[in-house]
Amino acid sequence: AQTVTQSQPEMSVQEAETVTLSCTYDTSESNYYLFWYKQPPSRQMILVIRQEAYKQQNATENRFSVNFQKAAKSFSLKISDSQLGDTAMYFCARTQGGSEKLVFGKGTKLTVNP
Amino acid sequence: EAQVTQNPRYLITVTGKKLTVTCSQNMNHEYMSWYRQDPGLGLRQIYYSMNVEVTDKGDVPEGYKVSRKEKRNFPLILESPSPNQTSLYFCASSPQRGNQPQHFGDGTRLSIL
Repeated sequence: AQTVTQSQPEMSVQEAETVTLSCTYDTSESNYYLFWYKQPPSRQMILVIRQEAYKQQNATENRFSVNFQKAAKSFSLKISDSQLGDTAMYFCARTQGGSEKLVFGKGTKLTVNP
Repeated sequence: EAQVTQNPRYLITVTGKKLTVTCSQNMNHEYMSWYRQDPGLGLRQIYYSMNVEVTDKGDVPEGYKVSRKEKRNFPLILESPSPNQTSLYFCASSPQRGNQPQHFGDGTRLSIL
């Protein structure tokens, strides 16, 4: 089965510091899409950032950026200037089979400490 | 406001009592999907639908049914719920283009006793 692996079940960071969450995936496809979703304690699934595999430029959204390494099948999320509101579960996901189907990693629980 | 609405948000029920979780979206999206989220397993797809009257199994379809009679609605049916279906369920929708992120509902917490 084609999988998405998040190797860090839990992480913590001090407020205002930078943290990087890792994600690797397995795929034989040449074009696909990658996403990071945030799930705060409220349980909502909130899109953080997305990356199109055929684009070499790394996506950025304000304090959030990715390091996309297509050859290595790696898609890490960097959060700069961490805020208390960033405390959440973070899920990495990719599309599969040229469709809208999402395959998710198991998540990384991030805690931002004051 | 663009949204995906699930009901109920919480439900506690007993083994074998049929239940339906409704899902409705107001964005005219073609694609809709159901996921379940379990601790340590992330989200896994149960069923999906590419358009009206077109549905297909995801990765964990056993014990579930779906229908797509209207574009906006995609109910999840548990004909005979069992305790191993206790989980957090999400409905999601997106336009039928892979570059568009899925919009998620707020989740339904089901407890099957």
